[in-house]
Order: sequence, then structure tokens, then C-alpha cells
Amino acid sequence: AQTVTQSQPEMSVQEAETVTLSCTYDTSENNYYLFWYKQPPSRQMILVIRQEAYKQQNATENRFSVNFQKAAKSFSLKISDSQLGDTAMYFCAFMSGSQGNLIFGKGTKLSVKP
Amino acid sequence: GAVVSQHPSWVICKSGTSVKIECRSLDFQATTMFWYRQFPKQSLMLMATSNEGSKATYEQGVEKDKFLINHASLTLSTLTVTSAHPEDSSFYICSASDQTRGESTDTQYFGPGTRLTVL
Repeated sequence: AQTVTQSQPEMSVQEAETVTLSCTYDTSENNYYLFWYKQPPSRQMILVIRQEAYKQQNATENRFSVNFQKAAKSFSLKISDSQLGDTAMYFCAFMSGSQGNLIFGKGTKLSVKP
Repeated sequence: GAVVSQHPSWVICKSGTSVKIECRSLDFQATTMFWYRQFPKQSLMLMATSNEGSKATYEQGVEKDKFLINHASLTLSTLTVTSAHPEDSSFYICSASDQTRGESTDTQYFGPGTRLTVL
């Protein structure tokens, strides 16, 4: 069975600085997808970034980028130039290439301080 | 694009009654929708996978007779909590995949969630 582990329950960062959220996963599959979702206080889940396992290049989306280490089964999220609006719960998620359902980590609560 | 709505956003009901929650994909067709449950300060737990025109697939431990799922069209799935009890109080979230987005077909887009309180 696949599992997703986020080892940082809470983190904080000063506005305009950079923060990295950790995520590791376990799977025996070779074809899969990884995601980071953001859940602000409104509780609306928002897609931050997506990575296909077959792609070696790390995905980037404006201030958000990932460090995808397939051999180590690691998928960290880097947020550059942190903004107050980045304050939220961040969930790392795994999707098998053969199944459509997401498996979520327990989340990391990020607080951006002014 | 890829907007998912849920209705209602908040519902309070009496114990023993049934509550229906709707999930709609507004600007795309979704052959598959997913229903999640989230307890306070916890992660999302998949309850079931809803496929248009067929029976839903429930995760282990989820009572299919209690949580009735219907996916009658490519844009609408409903979750009915039957004979609700206080322990069913939770935040219910649906998601859907846009099957027309090429390589992004596996990305799930989430509704805003429904807060259910059973008195």
C-alpha cells in the first residue's frame, strides 16, 4: 500500500523568506503522480503544483517549486518570497498511475509572519 | 476553468434524518468524482469513488448503506448521509477530474466542502 509522510506538523516563516516543506512517500509503482495542495482557513483545497514521476525535471509554478528525488521517494515543496496569503495547511498527495484516487499526507500547517 | 461546486456549504440536521450533498463540475465533464471526509485538524480521508452511470466504489470501513452515492450525470454526484447521527458530523469534500485536459487528466479539483452538524 502506498503511504505519504509529512514529518513537519507545523512550520513558520517570515514574510519574503523561503521555506521548504518535506514529503516522503512509499510505493512499488513506477508510474504515479505527486501533488501539493493548499488548504487555507476557508478550507477550499487548492492545487499548488503537480509532478509526473516519469519527468526528471522538477515542476515549478511561479514562487512554488518542488525537489523531486525519485530514488529517495522524496517530494519537497519550496515556497520562495513567502506571502501572508501563503498561510495555510499544505498537503502532499500521491496518485497511482493505475488508480485515480489521492492518498494524502497528514499535512503541514504553515504560518507566514509579517 | 475546472471549477467544482458543492451545495449546501453548511447544514445542520437532527439525528435520524437524512442529508443530501451535491457536487457539480461547472465547466467540465467528470466521469469520476471522489468523496472525502475531513475531521478537524486532520487530513482528507477518501470515502468513495463515484463513477458516472455505475455503482460507487467504497473504501474499507465506509458503510455504503449509510453513505449513498449517486453519479447520474457527467457533472453531478450526490452524497446522501442516511439516518445521520452526531458522529457523522464532519467536513465533506468532493473532487472531480477533468478528462479533457490532456496530460492533466489526473489532477483532481476540489469543491469548497460541506460542513455537516448533526444534533
